[in-house]
Amino acid sequence: TQLLEQSPQFLSIQEGENLTVYCNSSSVFSSLQWYRQEPGEGPVLLVTVVTGGEVKKLKRLTFQFGDARKDSSLHITAAQPGDTGLYLCAVAFMDTGRRALTFGSGTRLQVQP
Amino acid sequence: DAMVIQNPRYQVTQFGKPVTLSCSQTLNHNVMYWYQQKSSQAPKLLFHYYDKDFNNEADTPDNFQSRRPNTSFCFLDIRSPGLGDAAMYLCATSRIGGLNSPLHFGNGTRLTVT
Repeated sequence: TQLLEQSPQFLSIQEGENLTVYCNSSSVFSSLQWYRQEPGEGPVLLVTVVTGGEVKKLKRLTFQFGDARKDSSLHITAAQPGDTGLYLCAVAFMDTGRRALTFGSGTRLQVQP
Repeated sequence: DAMVIQNPRYQVTQFGKPVTLSCSQTLNHNVMYWYQQKSSQAPKLLFHYYDKDFNNEADTPDNFQSRRPNTSFCFLDIRSPGLGDAAMYLCATSRIGGLNSPLHFGNGTRLTVT
């Protein structure tokens, strides 16, 4: 069974601080998606990364896919209260026949004004 | 706006009393998914439809069933809810399936079992 770990589980910071959250596995991914879920709502896709070493930027968010395709990070610069939410990574493992994504348990971020 | 709509937002049912959750989509996507999400846990895939092709996850309890009468609608039936089935149930769609397709989620139905 492939395990997908996200860290940290919880993060509480002040507005304006920078932060990085991580998504790791011992297995290789073919692709990875990051979602943000706000309380009482469904997850919303932020980005999909496919190529090892790929870096994508979305305003103040920077996403990196590890060279070995076993990990990814999400860095937020100058966090704002609107960034508060549950950040989920979802991956497609390469060595299985699964046709569906596997989700991590998420990092719950709270940004204090 | 095209979207995924789940009804109701909140559902309370009694232990053992069947309950049906509904999902509709205006995106005309081929694939529809049902996920179960418990507090502080990852969304767990229960099953998905690729068009009319039903795909059940190996560890989805028999208590959970699904129906997709047409492209737009998908239902989750819980035949005999137990206390452990209390969770947020998320419906999602994707256009073509495949592991790179983004998922479009509804806002979920939070199920309480009393």
